[in-house]
Amino acid sequence: KQEVTQIPAALSVPEGENLVLNCSFTDSAIYNLQWFRQDPGKGLTSLLLIQSSQREQTSGRLNASLDKSSGRSTLYIAASQPGDSATYLCAVGGATNKLIFGTGTLLAVQP
Amino acid sequence: DTEVTQTPKHLVMGMTNKKSLKCEQHMGHRAMYWYKQKAKKPPELMFVYSYEKLSINESVPSRFSPECPNSSLLNLHLHALQPEDSALYLCASKTGTGYNNEQFFGPGTRLTVL
Repeated sequence: KQEVTQIPAALSVPEGENLVLNCSFTDSAIYNLQWFRQDPGKGLTSLLLIQSSQREQTSGRLNASLDKSSGRSTLYIAASQPGDSATYLCAVGGATNKLIFGTGTLLAVQP
Repeated sequence: DTEVTQTPKHLVMGMTNKKSLKCEQHMGHRAMYWYKQKAKKPPELMFVYSYEKLSINESVPSRFSPECPNSSLLNLHLHALQPEDSALYLCASKTGTGYNNEQFFGPGTRLTVL
């Protein structure tokens, strides 16, 4: 059974700092991995989708990497801003056509 | 346009009420999903529709009844709910029914059962 873990559970950084969020999964037979952000009480916003054949994807200040063999993905946020404060979720997609979500990282960027 | 809309935004209902949640997308997506999310937890999958047919039911109690009247619309009918069903209900759709497609989520309906 696929299990997805995110470390750390919570992170507080000063504005301007570069940071890395981690996502680990137990079954490397995935089709893709998607990173989302969620603001309190809101829906999920898709940030990046990485196909299983890709090593990384970039969008603006965000860069996501994928290492299938080791069961790991990282989300790198450059020059963090207070507006980046949110919960970040990773989710892996497999042959069941479902997304299995990680436990989330609550990020606070202090002005 | 990558928008999934959900109505209502908030819903308060008693345990004997019948209500419905609505989800709509006009992106031509052929896979649509219902998720339930409790506070400080990740979303939990409830149902998946593929080409307007129910393809996955994650053993959800029958007091939740999904319906997909057409390729753009997804409903979730609620009847005789319990207070523990209070949660954020999220709808999502996917660019295709294959395995390598991005999911897009709506803003959710905050449901409170009294």
